Amino acid sequence: DQQVKQNSPSLSVQEGRISILNCDYTNSMFDYFLWYKKYPAEGPTFLISISSIKDKNEDGRFTVFLNKSAKHLSLHIVPSQPGDSAVYFCAASARTSYDKVIFGPGTSLSVIP
Amino acid sequence: DGGITQSPKYLFRKEGQNVTLSCEQNLNHDAMYWYRQDPGQGLRLIYYSQIVNDFQKGDIAEGYSVSREKKESFPLTVTSAQKNPTAFYLCASSTPGQGRYSPLHFGNGTRLTVT
Repeated sequence: DQQVKQNSPSLSVQEGRISILNCDYTNSMFDYFLWYKKYPAEGPTFLISISSIKDKNEDGRFTVFLNKSAKHLSLHIVPSQPGDSAVYFCAASARTSYDKVIFGPGTSLSVIP
Repeated sequence: DGGITQSPKYLFRKEGQNVTLSCEQNLNHDAMYWYRQDPGQGLRLIYYSQIVNDFQKGDIAEGYSVSREKKESFPLTVTSAQKNPTAFYLCASSTPGQGRYSPLHFGNGTRLTVT
């Protein structure tokens, strides 16, 4: 039973357009959410995070939106660049066990020049 | 440069053999983790350690063992009891002591193939 879901295994976007990656979670105890980016044959790298007390966090071209009532978050990349092509993992953590981070299955993003 | 070193990058073993994956960090992080990545399943937590000489099972600990004798090192042994050991293994570390939530820093992984 996946607690963190990313229902789109892959996404293709034209360079310069917006990329929207979606994530849903089922555990209402989750109160901190993170996005990681992973290139082939490398480990994931931290991209951006958001606490449940916020509904938006922005860092340059990357913005994460959190809708707690829907248990949904999304990562927006604007404008998309070819170097953004990677697998993006949504992850979540709960106050009761913050050292256990639950990852989604990932979405592979391809940005087409 | 500070970071996490996993070795080797590729590892091949025969079924029935135990194998140990190395993970070393020089980030002075207290916590270390082992994850396994399989296609379409994301990263699943095998074991984690918050402090030297202490570790806890994650969600899929069966068939694995770890040790944490030094802060810098957290080796993972894949035993013959692990039914599907072929996977991409990722080691990570973090500094939970500096704040409740601390992003994980990952190594570049070891791809283990068991035949």
